[in-house]
Amino acid sequence: AQSVAQPEDQVNVAEGNPLTVKCTYSVSGNPYLFWYVQYPNRGLQFLLKYITGDNLVKGSYGFEAEFNKSQTSFHLKKPSALVSDSALYFCAVKIRGYQKVTFGTGTKLQVIP
Amino acid sequence: GAGVSQTPSNKVTEKGKYVELRCDPISGHTALYWYRQSLGQGPEFLIYFQGTGAADDSGLPNDRFFAVRPEGSVSTLKIQRTERGDSAVYLCASSLGIGGDYGYTFGSGTRLTVV
Repeated sequence: AQSVAQPEDQVNVAEGNPLTVKCTYSVSGNPYLFWYVQYPNRGLQFLLKYITGDNLVKGSYGFEAEFNKSQTSFHLKKPSALVSDSALYFCAVKIRGYQKVTFGTGTKLQVIP
Repeated sequence: GAGVSQTPSNKVTEKGKYVELRCDPISGHTALYWYRQSLGQGPEFLIYFQGTGAADDSGLPNDRFFAVRPEGSVSTLKIQRTERGDSAVYLCASSLGIGGDYGYTFGSGTRLTVV
């Protein structure tokens, strides 16, 4: 079984400030974790993934995420938010060896100028 | 093509009708996935193809839903006797290799509205 929780429906942050979008997961095996971004009227875009190795993974557009096994979290972060980062962000998880990816319900990020 | 192409982009159909949604994956991507995204929700897994065969169809909600990929490239999702609850955005994704370990490339989706 696998599930993902994104506890915040919306996150507001001022432009230039650091941002964090939270994600926790539950799996019955070794997790592969992903973040995707969805801009209005556009498809989902892959941002970054964690499979193994360093707990801090870097992805597109300056985003990074930290895998924390003890807290079963995979929070998305960026040091300095841009207005253009405003979008819907989805955390996702799969179990190694299985194909099904489970997505969270999404967090709307609003970066305020 | 350069990306995953889905047609049509929008489909309005009457309750009880049959619809087909098409997905053309990135050339060379052997893995193909169908997801469904309802308003305010994350994508929900429907079915996964590796080559021509459906390796995992556990997400199909009932026997009104069926998908094929006869030549290992283009896939068609077929919905019989559509219901209003089938209204959603149907997303197709493809990936290089098995299992989507490298992340998916999604198409822009087909917005299905059943009236």
